[in-house]
Amino acid sequence: GESVGLHLPTLSVQEGDNSIINCAYSNSASDYFIWYKQESGKGPQFIIDIRSNMDKRQGQRVTVLLNKTVKHLSLQIAATQPGDSAVYFCAEIEARGYSTLTFGKGTMLLVSP
Amino acid sequence: DTAVSQTPKYLVTQMGNDKSIKCEQNLGHDTMYWYKQDSKKFLKIMFSYNNKELIINETVPNRFSPKSPDKAHLNLHINSLELGDSAVYFCASSRRLAGSTDTQYFGPGTRLTVL
Repeated sequence: GESVGLHLPTLSVQEGDNSIINCAYSNSASDYFIWYKQESGKGPQFIIDIRSNMDKRQGQRVTVLLNKTVKHLSLQIAATQPGDSAVYFCAEIEARGYSTLTFGKGTMLLVSP
Repeated sequence: DTAVSQTPKYLVTQMGNDKSIKCEQNLGHDTMYWYKQDSKKFLKIMFSYNNKELIINETVPNRFSPKSPDKAHLNLHINSLELGDSAVYFCASSRRLAGSTDTQYFGPGTRLTVL
């Protein structure tokens, strides 16, 4: 299930389950969204992105869904593996000018064997 | 082959000291960044450089001074370190200017602890 810990929301799943990580973004002018994965002791790593003219994009075992009406983004991971355990961040940007990438709070995904 | 590298990995120092963190990217990117990640994992942009020129400074105290000797390097110098500076600092790079949809590639981070 999903719970709010002291620092990060945490999602605990069993290996082989599907995981859904949610993100609410703040800027209605954002038109490009990215999911990053951060493993312990490492920097964030790009997983998948989506532009605002799309509502769904699929990668290998991952799918990102975008609902602009409610400013919501989700990351679905199929057949979750222990190696998927990490902190996942959504990020948003207005793809123009000198705008910067704004990161969401982060969700910790814990996958049990 | 490390795309974005940072040194040192860990930095422990006393309050009031001056320290530097180095970053190098071998991706041929034009734009480099510094981010700060606090103890709650919140990640926030500090600076952005494009072709050695400062583009974005997100209201960071002037004790923090980035320097870009060439477009492959962006170093971060911090004067008069304070306890609140303790965090993990990430360098990143992207092909083009911030505000594009080019992927940002992150370094492994430097964990700074101020005692």
